[in-house]
Amino acid sequence: SQTIHQWPATLVQPVGSPLSLECTVEGTSNPNLYWYRQAAGRGLQLLFYSVGIGQISSEVPQNLSASRPQDRQFILSSKKLLLSDSGFYLCAWSVEGADTQYFGPGTRLTVL
Amino acid sequence: KQEVTQIPAALSVPEGENLVLNCSFTDSAIYNLQWFRQDPGKGLTSLLLIQSSQREQTSGRLNASLDKSSGRSTLYIAASQPGDSATYLCAVRPGTGRRALTFGSGTRLQVQP
Repeated sequence: SQTIHQWPATLVQPVGSPLSLECTVEGTSNPNLYWYRQAAGRGLQLLFYSVGIGQISSEVPQNLSASRPQDRQFILSSKKLLLSDSGFYLCAWSVEGADTQYFGPGTRLTVL
Repeated sequence: KQEVTQIPAALSVPEGENLVLNCSFTDSAIYNLQWFRQDPGKGLTSLLLIQSSQREQTSGRLNASLDKSSGRSTLYIAASQPGDSATYLCAVRPGTGRRALTFGSGTRLQVQP
């Protein structure tokens, strides 16, 4: 069966520090991968998606970047965090050609 | 720009009641609509997905309907249980081929034993 992992589960970082969040999927090949952010008082917003290794599409301009170094690994990064980067970050995957998205447990990021 | 609204924002019901959660969207040109469940501090669990050509989908005690022309979907939960307590989110995928889902802000459901 397929599983999706995210780490860390929680993170507290100072403003201006770098960020690296990791997401890995097991039990499937060539998944579509997604990064979402859920900010306090706001709905879920798609940040990036990827249909293959090295293929990243950005949905909104922002302080973050994403990379997909391996088929089942998706990384969210920042060189310098802002206060507004605080939120709950969710990774998701789907099978190409199918629309159901499966979400990971999330990472709660607090930028102080 | 697509906007998704969920009403009510919060709902508290006694165990055993049947209930309806509402989702409306402003642009009817959607590819599909998905209902999710989110427990506090957790990720999302997909409940039901309705393609734009479908009218409803059922899974156990859950039934989701879609009226694309009027921009509405409902999630019906039969015989509610305390374990159903969670936030329910609906999300639409645009019909343009883009992958970005637009989410509503959710309905927070509390089922009291």
